[in-house]
Amino acid sequence: AQSVTQLGSHVSVSEGALVLLRCNYSSSVPPYLFWYVQYPNQGLQLLLKYTSAATLVKGINGFEAEFKKSETSFHLTKPSAHMSDAAEYFCAVTERDSGYSTLTFGKGTMLLVSP
Amino acid sequence: DADVTQTPRNRITKTGKRIMLECSQTKGHDRMYWYRQDPGLGLRLIYYSFDVKDINKGEISDGYSVSRQAQAKFSLSLESAIPNQTALYFCATSEPTSGQETQYFGPGTRLLVL
Repeated sequence: AQSVTQLGSHVSVSEGALVLLRCNYSSSVPPYLFWYVQYPNQGLQLLLKYTSAATLVKGINGFEAEFKKSETSFHLTKPSAHMSDAAEYFCAVTERDSGYSTLTFGKGTMLLVSP
Repeated sequence: DADVTQTPRNRITKTGKRIMLECSQTKGHDRMYWYRQDPGLGLRLIYYSFDVKDINKGEISDGYSVSRQAQAKFSLSLESAIPNQTALYFCATSEPTSGQETQYFGPGTRLLVL
């Protein structure tokens, strides 16, 4: 079974600092990988997804993630944090090329941004 | 108007009561999902439906049932609510694209079982 591990339930950064949220997956075959964001009192929305040979994926709001097969990782980064980035971030995985698989989510990382 | 709506947005009920959470979508998607979110546990899949005639149990289906009344509607029922079903419930939809599909989430229903 696939699984996702997000290191750190909470990450605190200062405004303008680098954001790094970690995600590692467990799968015998490289899966499809997703990052979703949940702003306070809202549902989740897609930030970005990895589905192809392009290992560096750019998403919305200046976020990007790099797929590293050797490290089974898909860490999310942003060069400069904004106050509006404060939210909970979820990494998720699904089985590659299967039309019948479902998303498995990590436990989430709350990003706190201080002025 | 929102593409995925959930009603009610907040609900307080008592142990043993039967309640229904409703989800409607205007995206025209065949696939619909119910998740629950608990602090520190992320989202866990309760049930999912890949089309109107297809219903599947997810990771944590015990104590829940669902009904897919139409392509656009997917309801979640708690037959006899218990306090550990207190959680935030999300509905989501997607269109099949070999596993690459984006899921679109509703705003959530916050349920408190006393």
